[in-house]
Amino acid sequence: AQSVTQPDIHITVSEGASLELRCNYSYGATPYLFWYVQSPGQGLQLLLKYFSGDTLVQGIKGFEAEFKRSQSSFNLRKPSVHWSDAAEYFCAVGGGSGTYKYIFGTGTRLKVLA
Amino acid sequence: KAGVTQTPRYLIKTRGQQVTLSCSPISGHRSVSWYQQTPGQGLQFLFEYFSETQRNKGNFPGRFSGRQFSNSRSEMNVSTLELGDSALYLCASSLVARLTGANVLTFGAGSRLTVL
Repeated sequence: AQSVTQPDIHITVSEGASLELRCNYSYGATPYLFWYVQSPGQGLQLLLKYFSGDTLVQGIKGFEAEFKRSQSSFNLRKPSVHWSDAAEYFCAVGGGSGTYKYIFGTGTRLKVLA
Repeated sequence: KAGVTQTPRYLIKTRGQQVTLSCSPISGHRSVSWYQQTPGQGLQFLFEYFSETQRNKGNFPGRFSGRQFSNSRSEMNVSTLELGDSALYLCASSLVARLTGANVLTFGAGSRLTVL
């Protein structure tokens, strides 16, 4: 069955510290992978996406993610977190040609300490 | 370029009533998807429309329905509301990436439905 697992429900980091959010997926075909961020009361904003090619992808707001096929992972990283990064982060898989449904992880809520 | 617009942003209904939510996609986007977001179930796919046709449907009861108009605007309807229908309903419009064929979703801010 297709699924996305985000093992960390909550993460707290200090401002300026590095960040890594984990995402593991199970998907039968070549996955299209996404990270979205959601601020309270808002919709989801796309941070970055992986379709093919270079396994390290750069996104907005200084985020990057690395696709590791052997580990079925697509972890999100940021070298130095800002207070404004506090939000909920969702990993998603799917959206490939002929597949119109995304499967989302349960999200990781990030808290940033000043 | 205007984003995805959802109306209303907030609404309160009572059990047994019905509700209609509206979504205007980004200009030029012909695909519209709907998702339900709840604290317990997370983000769940409801349905997806393209050129006024429903192409895919999630595992929701028949009380949940939708449609798309010729201008790509979409509505979803929930009849006979239950307490468990309280959720954030997110609409997303999609532009298929030319080289890869991947659908990239752009989300609206959502409609927050509270059922009392």
